[in-house]
Amino acid sequence: EVQVVESGGGLVQPGGSLRLSCEPSGFILSSYEMIWVRQAPGKGLEWVSYISSSGRTTYYADSVKGRFTISRDNARNSVYLQMNSLRAEDTAVYHCARDLCSGGGCNSGGWLDPWGQGTLVTVSS
Amino acid sequence: DIQMTQSPSSVSASVGDRVTITCRASQGISNWLAWYQQKPGKAPKLLIYAASTLQSGVPSRFSGSGSGTDFTLTISSLQPEDFATYYCQQAHTFPSITFGQGTRLEIK
Repeated sequence: EVQVVESGGGLVQPGGSLRLSCEPSGFILSSYEMIWVRQAPGKGLEWVSYISSSGRTTYYADSVKGRFTISRDNARNSVYLQMNSLRAEDTAVYHCARDLCSGGGCNSGGWLDPWGQGTLVTVSS
Repeated sequence: DIQMTQSPSSVSASVGDRVTITCRASQGISNWLAWYQQKPGKAPKLLIYAASTLQSGVPSRFSGSGSGTDFTLTISSLQPEDFATYYCQQAHTFPSITFGQGTRLEIK
């Protein structure tokens, strides 16, 4: 089964740091671009970050730029999101997702499948 | 940024009903649009991409249409497992993607 599983969430104080991990199974991670999306409690979906299949290209939402860093280790089959200088407004469930078409088999990019169930990050004192 | 606006925000319907959800982009996005289904506490699930392409394994009662700025998701005959929240997402500016605010589909 093709899936991704996130881990690393928890309770952290404002200004603190946390590192999230995303581990895929059922597909070759190195072939795919990966994305983090977050969902604040009771709210909608917000794109956070993107990393190319090689890891050489990354992008961030303005709301996290300069504070979050996305990375990947294809040999260890993992994608990471290092979150620093956390704020209360970063409180959310963080989902990892695969870009469906980047591994081939369909045209264009930007379709996310599968998504992980997410890991909850709570920023509070 | 491209803003995505869904309507309605919520809708009540019965099993067997036909339901249509609309998504409007703040500027033209060609067919760079996807639809997702999310149930409480679960991961979003890709239903349709490129505006009208059904993702593998998704029932044929789901369909999508539209191009440019106006898009629709139609469920032809609601089943009990379809009650969920639905999101549209534009990929025109991938990887900087944006989502609609969601449409909650409830049982009448």
